[in-house]
Amino acid sequence: SFELTQPPSVSVSPGQTARITCSGDALSNQYTYWYQQKPGRAPVLVIYQDIERPSGIPERFSGSTSGTTVTLTITGVQAEDEADYYCQSADSRATLWVFGGGTKLTVL
Amino acid sequence: QVQLVESGGGVVQPGGSLRLACVASGFTFSTYGMHWVRQAPGKGLEWVTFVRFDGNDKYYADSVKGRFIVSRDNSKNTLYLQMNSLRAEDTAIYYCARRDAYLYYFDFWGQGTLVTVSS
Repeated sequence: SFELTQPPSVSVSPGQTARITCSGDALSNQYTYWYQQKPGRAPVLVIYQDIERPSGIPERFSGSTSGTTVTLTITGVQAEDEADYYCQSADSRATLWVFGGGTKLTVL
Repeated sequence: QVQLVESGGGVVQPGGSLRLACVASGFTFSTYGMHWVRQAPGKGLEWVTFVRFDGNDKYYADSVKGRFIVSRDNSKNTLYLQMNSLRAEDTAIYYCARRDAYLYYFDFWGQGTLVTVSS
């Protein structure tokens, strides 16, 4: 099976660093993508190909990878970053797509 | 600009059927793969199905295989999702989403349409 595992929740104070992990056996050879979703809104891509940041996404968002775990890091968290975050990947032929269970980021 | 507008959601009884549509604009629809992704109330995102640009190849999540059918009409810039044998657990917001031209991610999303399966 193709599964991605995220922690259900992460809490940080404003200005601190938030780290959200995503684990899965397939991640050692497939790229991971990260989305931010705020209530009532469609998801927005914040990181692609593990570490790349789309234009328009603040520099405080970054990605890293180590083996079968990828990490979304938000440095200097702001209140507006409070949202649900989802990792996503796909198999090598784009026939199976999967999301992690999502992580709720709370800014204290 | 790219726009994806879903329609067709509503309330349906268990065992019933519903057809969703997603009208695309602002890009050459016939050259992009398209997805349906759903989100049950208060839950996470779940990929449902993917159809390649020409409609010839279709893929489904195990949870909907054999019950849902994805199709597209490139002459009408429209993506469809025929949902049959609906269950309570199919209750969700259904989003259509465009696959990026080169990479394996969703680069544009619609605002979603709510499907409620209830007696």
